[in-house]
This record gives sequence, C-alpha cells and structure tokens, in this order.
Amino acid sequence: EVQLVESGGGLVQPGGSLRLSCAASGFTFSSYEMNWVRQAPGKGLEWVSYISSGAGTIHYADSVKGRFTISRDNAKNSLYLQMNSLGAEDTAVYYCAREVGYNNYFDYWGQGTLVTVSS
Amino acid sequence: DIQMTQSPSSLSASVGDRVTITCRASQTISSYLNWFQQKPGKAPKLLIYAASSLQSGVPSRFSGSGSGTDFTLTISSLQPEDFATYYCQQSYTTPRTFGQGTKVEIK
Repeated sequence: EVQLVESGGGLVQPGGSLRLSCAASGFTFSSYEMNWVRQAPGKGLEWVSYISSGAGTIHYADSVKGRFTISRDNAKNSLYLQMNSLGAEDTAVYYCAREVGYNNYFDYWGQGTLVTVSS
Repeated sequence: DIQMTQSPSSLSASVGDRVTITCRASQTISSYLNWFQQKPGKAPKLLIYAASSLQSGVPSRFSGSGSGTDFTLTISSLQPEDFATYYCQQSYTTPRTFGQGTKVEIK
C-alpha cells in the first residue's frame, strides 16, 4: 500500500525556519517525481515545489523561490522541504504528493502537516 | 504561468442530479488536465487524469472531457458522499496550477 506521511509542521515565529519531511512507503520511491502542495486555511490548493526522481530537476512557485528548498534522500525514501524566512502568508497545511511521470498527475497524497507562522 | 479558471465557484444540487463543472486554461494544455475531490480536513483525492481517464477505484459516475483550453467534470448522478470541493489542475508545465475550486453543496 502506498503511503506518504508528512511531519515537521508546527508553530514558528515570522522570519523563522522549519523543515518538513515526507516518509514514503509501499512503492519504489526513487522512481517517482515528487511535489509539495499547500493549502492556507479556508483557501484553495497551491503548488509549491517539484523534484525529479533523481533530484536533477527542481522547480518552485514564485511565492517561495529563494526561501524554500526541496530535496530528497532516495536511500531513506524521504522527501524534504526546508522553509526559511517564513511569513504569515506561509501558514498552511503542507502536503507531499507523488507524481506519475507520463501525464504528470498526482496520484497519492499524504495527510498533510500544518505550519503556522505567528508571533 | 498558466491560469486555471473554474466555474461555478459553488453550486447547490440534490442527490441524483447531474452536475457539471467547467475548467478553462489561459493557454492550451493539450490533455494535461486533472480533477481532484477534497472533503473538509482531508487530502485531495485524484478522480480524473489526462482530462478523461478515470483513476482506479473512482466510481464511474465521474467523467471528464475536453482538450486544449476547455474541460468539464461531470457527475452523472450525485450521491451523498460527493458533496465536497472539486479542483482542476494543469500538469502541462510548472507551476502546476490549480483552479480556485468548486464547492458542491446540498440543496
């Protein structure tokens, strides 16, 4: 069974940092591209970042470029999102999602982890 | 960036109704269009990928159509468990933008 489990969310002060993790199981993690998607409270879905299976290609939304860093450790079946210079606008539930390569769709999502940026 | 516009933003419908949600892309995306269902407090769930392919395990009352810039999600006979918010998403390029969502409520 495919499982994606996010962790690392919590309360952080403005300007602070946080590192999210996504633990993958039930599939060959190293064969799949992965993404982070977030959802602010009461709002819609916002794509955040993409990483290819071998980490050779990375993309970011303009809203997080220069502040967030996506990475992965295929030996540990884990995806990460390092978030720096956090602001109130980054408050959201963060989901990791597996991407199927030939049509680039997100077939499995984690349950999400809540990041709250507040003083 | 490609903008995705859904309509309507919300709708009220009864069990058994046929429901149609549309999604328009700001430029052509071929068939790189996906539909998700989200219930409160839950992660999004993939319903349709590549504009018209039904994800495994999704009931056949859900269907998708379209290509280029105009797409449609249809629920042929609305069931109680279908009351949720629906999002389209283009996967033609990054950023992989989502529509703003359509909330389907009980009439």
